[in-house]
Amino acid sequence: DTGVSQDPRHKITKRGQNVTFRCDPISEHNRLYWYRQTLGQGPEFLTYFQNEAQLEKSRLLSDRFSAERPKGSFSTLEIQRTEQGDSAMYLCASSPGRGGTTDTQYFGPGTRLTVL
Amino acid sequence: AQSVTQPDIHITVSEGASLELRCNYSYGATPYLFWYVQSPGQGLQLLLKYFSGDTLVQGIKGFEAEFKRSQSSFNLRKPSVHWSDAAEYFCAVGLMTGGGNKLTFGTGTQLKVEL
Repeated sequence: DTGVSQDPRHKITKRGQNVTFRCDPISEHNRLYWYRQTLGQGPEFLTYFQNEAQLEKSRLLSDRFSAERPKGSFSTLEIQRTEQGDSAMYLCASSPGRGGTTDTQYFGPGTRLTVL
Repeated sequence: AQSVTQPDIHITVSEGASLELRCNYSYGATPYLFWYVQSPGQGLQLLLKYFSGDTLVQGIKGFEAEFKRSQSSFNLRKPSVHWSDAAEYFCAVGLMTGGGNKLTFGTGTQLKVEL
């Protein structure tokens, strides 16, 4: 059973460039979450998908951020016109989506973004 | 709004000693509580979770946690720490949202193990 995978693991970009990250959840997991973790902090919720539907977006997710899950499987997170404040670890998690509040999230290894 | 406090930023223990990591939460309803561990440069691994029932929860790697509603706490314990336990530990509370379960994390406790 493979876990959640994320690609790339590391990304260095210049301010103003666009970047896209990919997340592949555990097979047959219906729910997919994105979190952002800055240095010395815990992860913060960004957005959440139930199958292909994006059901909630945090206020942290500015207009420069967009996430998709086109076929209810993998997801992409795009950041346009990156800023230095976007430097962080971007974590993806998936869950079976059958347990309601007892649904447990399993995290990927994360994508470390550095904006120069 | 829900919140999680981990009062200890860093903790150092000797290998073989016991460990307790503190977690306090603020949440209006019945909390759904989790402990995750993160090794450097890695994602989060679930150690244990509490949803209901027995307030003492057993997890992986010999960890356990006790839910105390009166103290709004969910402290993580291990009777004998191994050098491989050195990592960062996060407590989280789950909030139902649109059918999903959005996690709010504490700021983490960095554990150092002295040999």
